[in-house]
Amino acid sequence: NAGVTQTPKFRILKIGQSMTLQCTQDMNHNYMYWYRQDPGMGLKLIYYSVGAGITDKGEVPNGYNVSRSTTEDFPLRLELAAPSQTSVYFCATGGRQPQHFGDGTRLSIL
Amino acid sequence: GESVGLHLPTLSVQEGDNSIINCAYSNSASDYFIWYKQESGKGPQFIIDIRSNMDKRQGQRVTVLLNKTVKHLSLQIAATQPGDSAVYFCAETLISGNTPLVFGKGTRLSVIA
Repeated sequence: NAGVTQTPKFRILKIGQSMTLQCTQDMNHNYMYWYRQDPGMGLKLIYYSVGAGITDKGEVPNGYNVSRSTTEDFPLRLELAAPSQTSVYFCATGGRQPQHFGDGTRLSIL
Repeated sequence: GESVGLHLPTLSVQEGDNSIINCAYSNSASDYFIWYKQESGKGPQFIIDIRSNMDKRQGQRVTVLLNKTVKHLSLQIAATQPGDSAVYFCAETLISGNTPLVFGKGTRLSVIA
């Protein structure tokens, strides 16, 4: 039982490039979340999903997209990377609030 | 806007002593609170939660206290151990609906052996 798995762990992107951050959970939870954490700050919610086929915006959704085709997977897409998106990204799952987090993807936009 | 904050950004505690980490919240409507622990290079880990109809809840070596009158939350760790060294976040929300959690900025706890 791996819990929440995020890939990649690290990535450097150039401005304007696109990429997908992967998140998979094997805990069979309906709820999944994407957060970003800037240095010295708490987490801010980007998008969340209450089940397959359903996604909703969080506090800071601009510049991101998500999809939820299965219960297990919740990928986060950056279409046009900007320096402001340099951050650590955490995927989480749980009930109506996140309880289990992945170890994060450290993303730098240069 | 409404936000969750912390009184102390850093806290150093001698091993074996008790630790108290404080959190002030400003949304008087919040009725559900969670404490998370985040070790270096890891994702946050759920520690304990409390609903607003309680003023105290205990777990294993941890106790959360809620004072709704002054909108204050605290996490007490008994007999602090080196493994407790981490950043601790409080978070608040409304338990009904899909209101996102609002996280505080975190307090770094350093345990001195």
